[in-house]
Amino acid sequence: DSGVTQTPKHLITATGQRVTLRCSPRSGDLSVYWYQQSLDQGLQFLIQYYNGEERAKGNILERFSAQQFPDLHSELNLSSLELGDSALYFCASSPPGGMSYNEQFFGPGTRLTVL
Amino acid sequence: AQKITQTQPGMFVQEKEAVTLDCTYDTSDPSYGLFWYKQPSSGEMIFLIYQGSYDQQNATEGRYSLNFQKARKSANLVISASQLGDSAMYFCAMRELSRDAGNMLTFGGGTRLMVKP
Repeated sequence: DSGVTQTPKHLITATGQRVTLRCSPRSGDLSVYWYQQSLDQGLQFLIQYYNGEERAKGNILERFSAQQFPDLHSELNLSSLELGDSALYFCASSPPGGMSYNEQFFGPGTRLTVL
Repeated sequence: AQKITQTQPGMFVQEKEAVTLDCTYDTSDPSYGLFWYKQPSSGEMIFLIYQGSYDQQNATEGRYSLNFQKARKSANLVISASQLGDSAMYFCAMRELSRDAGNMLTFGGGTRLMVKP
């Protein structure tokens, strides 16, 4: 158990709908990262938050948005869902630090299926 | 441009033997970290081992070791004495450490390892 929690574990929805994925980082970790793992795109970075502020953005679609709340939990919002959004969505967290090595601890993932 | 390349989509290894999973990377950042993660069929991502670009010695963690060849930009994972529980997907990842690089991990396409009894 990495200490990172994600809910829900599974989500099945229809095209055009909107869903929210939730992540709670490990105690003390200030950074939250979201990754998407799909069959065609592999594992790719979506977005990072550090202590409530957006820190880095990757290949995140405009239909997707995220935020990190004062208690450091994060939510990833996916809207106008398409079949291709079906994927495993991971949240990871890392402890505060500078440029030195920081392992990223991954949550169990949320498996999203869009029908 | 592909930053992390894993050229072996799938590999078989006999139980108790050693296996090497290949990973090459591309970066112009002089400071970076290389990671290996294991993803079993249950889906979670398990950290295995880390190598920093300035580390003088190859990293080792139990049965895992990283064969780091900086000039060749390769960071191969060696698993010794394979066990049936090692059957999983293995991902190589890199984090560029310069101040403006962000902290995200860039992953390779993965290698599926299957251990035969």
